[in-house]
Amino acid sequence: EVQLVESGGGLVQPGRSMKLSCAASGFTFSNYGMAWVRQAPTKGLEWVATISYDGSSTYYRDSVKGRFTISRDNAKSTLYLQMNSLRSEDTATYYCTRVRPIAAGYFDYWGQGVMVTVSS
Amino acid sequence: DTVLTQSPALAVSPGERVTISCRASESVSTLMHWYQQKPGQQPTLLIYLASNLESGVPARFSGSGSGTDFTLTIDPVEADDTATYYCQQSWNDPTFGAGTKLELK
Repeated sequence: EVQLVESGGGLVQPGRSMKLSCAASGFTFSNYGMAWVRQAPTKGLEWVATISYDGSSTYYRDSVKGRFTISRDNAKSTLYLQMNSLRSEDTATYYCTRVRPIAAGYFDYWGQGVMVTVSS
Repeated sequence: DTVLTQSPALAVSPGERVTISCRASESVSTLMHWYQQKPGQQPTLLIYLASNLESGVPARFSGSGSGTDFTLTIDPVEADDTATYYCQQSWNDPTFGAGTKLELK
């Protein structure tokens, strides 16, 4: 059974940093692209970043470029999202997703999500 | 960015047929996908590449379309289908529609 379990969320002040993790199991992690998708409270879904199966390629939405970094450790089957210079508009539930396949770009499994609140 | 436009809400009775539309601001070929999100839960994939049913999804769900106009059909609708449905394109950087909230009468 595919499982994606996010961790690392919480309350953070504007301008500070936070790192999210996603522990994957039930599939060969190193064979798949992975992505983060977020959802602000009562709002719709918004793609954040994607990383290729081997970490060699990364893609970001414009509003997080230069502030967020997606990375992965295939030996640990873990996906990360380093978020710097956080803003109030980054407040959202962040979902870890599996991309199948990366060329077609759809998200076939989603974690339960982790809440990030940016507020003073 | 490619903008996806969905109608905001629909209300139908159990047993009826419902179509949920998604219009793209530019052609996305068949790189369109559909998700279901029930309240308090994460989204789940229903349809990929416009018309392919994801494994484990009931055959009551189907998708069609290409280019700029796409449709998700549920026939017949069941009470458990109460949810918000999102379309998503992957022609370029992924974008989602704003979602269509389906309510049952």
